[in-house]
Amino acid sequence: DQQVKQNSPSLSVQEGRISILNCDYTNSMFDYFLWYKKYPAEGPTFLISISSIKDKNEDGRFTVFLNKSAKHLSLHIVPSQPGDSAVYFCAASGQDQGAQKLVFGQGTRLTINP
Amino acid sequence: KAGVTQTPRYLIKTRGQQVTLSCSPISGHRSVSWYQQTPGQGLQFLFEYFSETQRNKGNFPGRFSGRQFSNSRSEMNVSTLELGDSALYLCASSRGGQVHSSTDTQYFGPGTRLTVL
Repeated sequence: DQQVKQNSPSLSVQEGRISILNCDYTNSMFDYFLWYKKYPAEGPTFLISISSIKDKNEDGRFTVFLNKSAKHLSLHIVPSQPGDSAVYFCAASGQDQGAQKLVFGQGTRLTINP
Repeated sequence: KAGVTQTPRYLIKTRGQQVTLSCSPISGHRSVSWYQQTPGQGLQFLFEYFSETQRNKGNFPGRFSGRQFSNSRSEMNVSTLELGDSALYLCASSRGGQVHSSTDTQYFGPGTRLTVL
């Protein structure tokens, strides 16, 4: 039962254009969402997050959008740069039967082409 | 400030053996979480320790266990290894507020790559 899904295993974008990574979730108890970026041979690094009380959060070139009714979030990177090439994981957090749960998607490999 | 360190970085074991992985959190961080990353499943939460107590637990069998020491360092143990346990095991540390919340960002180590033959 995959509660957080990233349906695109890979995405290729031209340098300078917009990259849009998508994530869907199924559980309504999730109230906090995060994006992590992972380079090979390194652990994931936190990129940006959004609380369920907001629908948009922006940090420089990175913007996360949350559509609660559709249970969908997306990460926009604009303009895309070669250093953005990495695997991106979305994650969802919330209380479930007294325990704080964090569930990750399977990841999307983003490749920025010069 | 040193980041999260994990030892060893690579490990090869055979089925039926047991293994212990180690994680040293960022100085001052009291929460340590463990994750398993596999190509098909992504990152899956194993458990979280805070002040030497397991505070949260994922859906893994009892063969997976952990502990945390008074200096916040943590170890994860897997007994009776199976082929399917081959994965990258990541640990993450945070200050230890409400874990996975907006006030408690997690910082990941580079992981231990475990191969079970």
